[in-house]
Amino acid sequence: SQQGEEDPQALSIQEGENATMNCSYKTSINNLQWYRQNSGRGLVHLILIRSNEREKHSGRLRVTLDTSKKSSSLLITASRAADTASYFCATAPFGGGYNKLIFGAGTRLAVHP
Amino acid sequence: DTAVSQTPKYLVTQMGNDKSIKCEQNLGHDTMYWYKQDSKKFLKIMFSYNNKELIINETVPNRFSPKSPDKAHLNLHINSLELGDSAVYFCASSQGEGLPKQRETQYFGPGTRLLVL
Repeated sequence: SQQGEEDPQALSIQEGENATMNCSYKTSINNLQWYRQNSGRGLVHLILIRSNEREKHSGRLRVTLDTSKKSSSLLITASRAADTASYFCATAPFGGGYNKLIFGAGTRLAVHP
Repeated sequence: DTAVSQTPKYLVTQMGNDKSIKCEQNLGHDTMYWYKQDSKKFLKIMFSYNNKELIINETVPNRFSPKSPDKAHLNLHINSLELGDSAVYFCASSQGEGLPKQRETQYFGPGTRLLVL
């Protein structure tokens, strides 16, 4: 089955609230990445966290990684309507090379004004 | 300037036809990919080329044949199209050399929406 699984599948919040999305995976990884996909568009890379890192920040984004639980979370603080999109985690499995990313099915985030 | 471009954007065709999707990147990257995104938004890698050489070939029917005439282009040809081929196909690229983060970040095209009737 797929490597990454996001939770929840869908999330609806008000502008200004924080949004938290979770990702679980099954095997050891080299890194884990989060991508955003706006409706009808391609994916855009947001942030990468390595297997030896526990937390990364980028602007309003905060990513954590717990390799013992094989899980990651993406936190978007002070959300905006423009954050409405699908968010995917992707893992680079250990031993699989850094090119082969395994994606989950994504979390659909709706931020209401 | 579009970094990764795909043509066509939409493709509607009949079962049994043969069709091609083209991809070009102007980022100077060495590695290119094809992904398939199904109706449930699940994205799966199909192929990857590095400097025109096939490096990833997932379990994909041999009706799908990628071709890389040069490192800036990766085309996907599909023979004898089936209903189940209906999906969005994404091309992506990444840098083959350089800092790890540069190699590991993939840049996606806008997608080609294929509908097989």
